[in-house]
Amino acid sequence: GAVVSQHPSWVICKSGTSVKIECRSLDFQATTMFWYRQFPKQSLMLMATSNEGSKATYEQGVEKDKFLINHASLTLSTLTVTSAHPEDSSFYICSARTGANTVEQYFGPGTRLTVT
Amino acid sequence: GENVEQHPSTLSVQEGDSAVIKCTYSDSASNYFPWYKQELGKRPQLIIDIRSNVGEKKDQRIAVTLNKTAKHFSLHITETQPEDSAVYFCAARGSTLGRLYFGRGTQLTVWP
Repeated sequence: GAVVSQHPSWVICKSGTSVKIECRSLDFQATTMFWYRQFPKQSLMLMATSNEGSKATYEQGVEKDKFLINHASLTLSTLTVTSAHPEDSSFYICSARTGANTVEQYFGPGTRLTVT
Repeated sequence: GENVEQHPSTLSVQEGDSAVIKCTYSDSASNYFPWYKQELGKRPQLIIDIRSNVGEKKDQRIAVTLNKTAKHFSLHITETQPEDSAVYFCAARGSTLGRLYFGRGTQLTVWP
């Protein structure tokens, strides 16, 4: 149980275009999902907390107009990288909690974004 | 917000030896401390966790200790094996929104 998927697993896009990444909880409902970014040989940096039916909460320094998050349902959150640039190339990972009172987060497999 | 420091950044041990990784956190209200193992290009895998009302937890070769007063927690791996080689991250769950904040990671290499 508690499986989280991401799509796509990898994507290459041209500079200036937008890319959408999906995060799905497959066997549970997730009222809260989290988006992380991980550069090579670095740690996971929390970008934002995604809540179903409400606006995402962004961490300091993360541009909300560039990284659009939509938590459309209890099983789906999307991250759209708008006007992507090479410096946005990274490994994007989502995670989800099974309930509001649970602490454990289940991670998706990640999406490798390369902007050329 | 929460600030998690992790040491060392790299650790090399001989197979069969023990490995210890240490983390400190800043938010005294943090109440959950997981440890993750991440292999290259893959998702982090939870290997053990501890809650703030417990001082120590063990699962076979892996143990975690927590000192709330000093705000630090440690991962102990005994009888290390080459397949333990990976990057290990500690994390702390902050007091608001249940967000996890990660340490910088430790590259553990176990030599046969």
